Amino acid sequence: EVQLVESGGDLVQPGGSLRLSCAASGLTFRNHWMHWVRQAPGKGLEWVSRISSDGRSITYADSVKGRFTISRDNAKNTVYQQMSSLRPEDTAIYYCAGDLVLGSGSCGYWGQGTLVTVSS
Amino acid sequence: QSALTQPPSASGSPGQSVTMSCTGSSGDVGTYNYVSWYQQHPGKAPKLLIYEVYNRPSGVPDRFSGSKSGNTASLTVSGLQAEDEADYYCSSYVGSSNFDNRIVVFGGGTKLTVL
Repeated sequence: EVQLVESGGDLVQPGGSLRLSCAASGLTFRNHWMHWVRQAPGKGLEWVSRISSDGRSITYADSVKGRFTISRDNAKNTVYQQMSSLRPEDTAIYYCAGDLVLGSGSCGYWGQGTLVTVSS
Repeated sequence: QSALTQPPSASGSPGQSVTMSCTGSSGDVGTYNYVSWYQQHPGKAPKLLIYEVYNRPSGVPDRFSGSKSGNTASLTVSGLQAEDEADYYCSSYVGSSNFDNRIVVFGGGTKLTVL
């Protein structure tokens, strides 16, 4: 059974930083592109970032470019998202997700999400 | 990075079929066959229903089907059941002829009500 377990969500002040982690099991992690997707309270899904299986190809949504950094450690089966200069509008549940088909953008595997709250 | 356009709501009675649309542009839905559909129940993580326009992952009932015409993708749910009541989101790859530079955009979601 595939499991993605996010951690690191917390209450942080505007301008602060946070690092999210997502530990994967039950799949050959190094073969999957990984994404972070967020959902603000009562709102829809917003794609945030994506990293290729080898970590060499990375893309971001305009809303987080320059503030968020996605990375991965295939030896630890873990993907990370370093978030800095956080804003109240970054408040959301953050899901990590893995491609079902390599490079297809189809997130077939999802974690349960971790809540990030940006507030003073 | 404009979001894809989905109607905010749809409804149908048990046993009926309902089709939900997802409208993009020639820069996303119209060009790439990387349209996905997700189902999300309240308080739960999204679940992939359809990938690459019309493919179903293992375990997804064949009551769910996807299609595309021009810049609009569609999800059809046949034989509606009470448990189909949920939010449905589409997504697509966007932009760049360089595969490595492409990003993903989601639609705003459609809330499906089973009457």
